[in-house]
Amino acid sequence: DIQMTQSPSTLSASVGDRVTITCRANQSISSWLAWYQQKPGKAPNLLIYKASSLESGVPSRFSGSGSGTEFTLTVSSLQPDDFATYYCHQYNSYPLTFGGGTKVEIK
Amino acid sequence: DVQLLESGGGLVQPGGSLRLSCAASGFTFTDYFMTWVRQAPGKGLESVSTISKSGGSTYYADSVKGRFTISKDNSKNTMYLQMNSLRADDTAVYYCAKHFLVGTLYDAFDIWGQGTMVTVSS
Repeated sequence: DIQMTQSPSTLSASVGDRVTITCRANQSISSWLAWYQQKPGKAPNLLIYKASSLESGVPSRFSGSGSGTEFTLTVSSLQPDDFATYYCHQYNSYPLTFGGGTKVEIK
Repeated sequence: DVQLLESGGGLVQPGGSLRLSCAASGFTFTDYFMTWVRQAPGKGLESVSTISKSGGSTYYADSVKGRFTISKDNSKNTMYLQMNSLRADDTAVYYCAKHFLVGTLYDAFDIWGQGTMVTVSS
């Protein structure tokens, strides 16, 4: 199985901050990576697919980059609605696996 | 509106069984792979099982292989997860999720249901 490691596990930030979350795979997954946002009690919501493609309806302050084994999710200017937990997800091979999550908290 | 609606969760004793359902609407159900994803309380996401668009191919995480069975009824636009020999560590919210692209196994999930809670406890 491909292991996905996210860092940090928790991030404290303020509105307006630029925030970056990292996801590493233990083997190459090309660009087959997605990012999701999850709020408490809700299902995850797709933000980014194929490492850097923005899902329809997702604000442009979200962006993704990377390929191979290292990927980043960046929020260019954090908004109040962005405080949530973020997960990366590899879909290069089965089983499809997720990172452990990064909780973005209010500083 | 594209929608997934899970049902069937509840409290079950260790060793018991439960069947979850996922009713789909707003898209051509027969065009897409579908996956069950679970989330234990306070924990991360785990992909449990996937089924092909026809229902002819199925895939399982090692943690549920031999105990869970995924299926779908394309005439009812509904996917199922039959869970047998349930254990305490199966306790989780179970989500059904639609794959993003037509006919693609290795894919992101663009539509998720609201989830159904399964609690395994005596």
